[in-house]
Amino acid sequence: EAQVTQNPRYLITVTGKKLTVTCSQNMNHEYMSWYRQDPGLGLRQIYYSMNVEVTDKGDVPEGYKVSRKEKRNFPLILESPSPNQTSLYFCASSYRNNQPQHFGDGTRLSIL
Amino acid sequence: AQKVTQAQTEISVVEKEDVTLDCVYETRDTTYYLFWYKQPPSGELVFLIRRNSFDEQNEISGRYSWNFQKSTSSFNFTITASQVVDSAVYFCALDDSGYSTLTFGKGTMLLVSP
Repeated sequence: EAQVTQNPRYLITVTGKKLTVTCSQNMNHEYMSWYRQDPGLGLRQIYYSMNVEVTDKGDVPEGYKVSRKEKRNFPLILESPSPNQTSLYFCASSYRNNQPQHFGDGTRLSIL
Repeated sequence: AQKVTQAQTEISVVEKEDVTLDCVYETRDTTYYLFWYKQPPSGELVFLIRRNSFDEQNEISGRYSWNFQKSTSSFNFTITASQVVDSAVYFCALDDSGYSTLTFGKGTMLLVSP
């Protein structure tokens, strides 16, 4: 089954404790992105990647890191999480530029 | 400047009513793509439609239809004979980046009651 898989789905943690949210897609897609969803703000892009080793900042990259060492994986790293990063996070992938993005089921992070 | 505006924050209708969700976008590019996504209460994001800037034909898919008008920079979404299962948050999104990055509107929550 074609899918984008995020882990964990839920996480409650404390300020400053490094965490990684994994994202994996099995569709051989070139493009991958991370978004965060906050009430009243919709979804905002954090980072995106056009291919292996090619990443760039989205609209809200502060406090986040990403890497794309393999085509299928695009982890989101919070080196020192803070409460304002409490949010619902989505990973997405698309086959090519401008094609519909397939979204993972989301990861709900709570930073205390 | 906000690139995608969904002015309706929340809409409530009774089952079988028709409802239109508005989307107004802003871009300087001549080539761009518009999307609608649905987010049901379970939380996942479901792709509904993609439209490129050169194709102004309206689209109908079952009870769903989309009206794309470049002259007014709008890409509105109509649900005919709404059903309870249509209750969700609907997002309009724009891709004018060339890098498959989406700029989303803030979403419209549609509540369809029996």
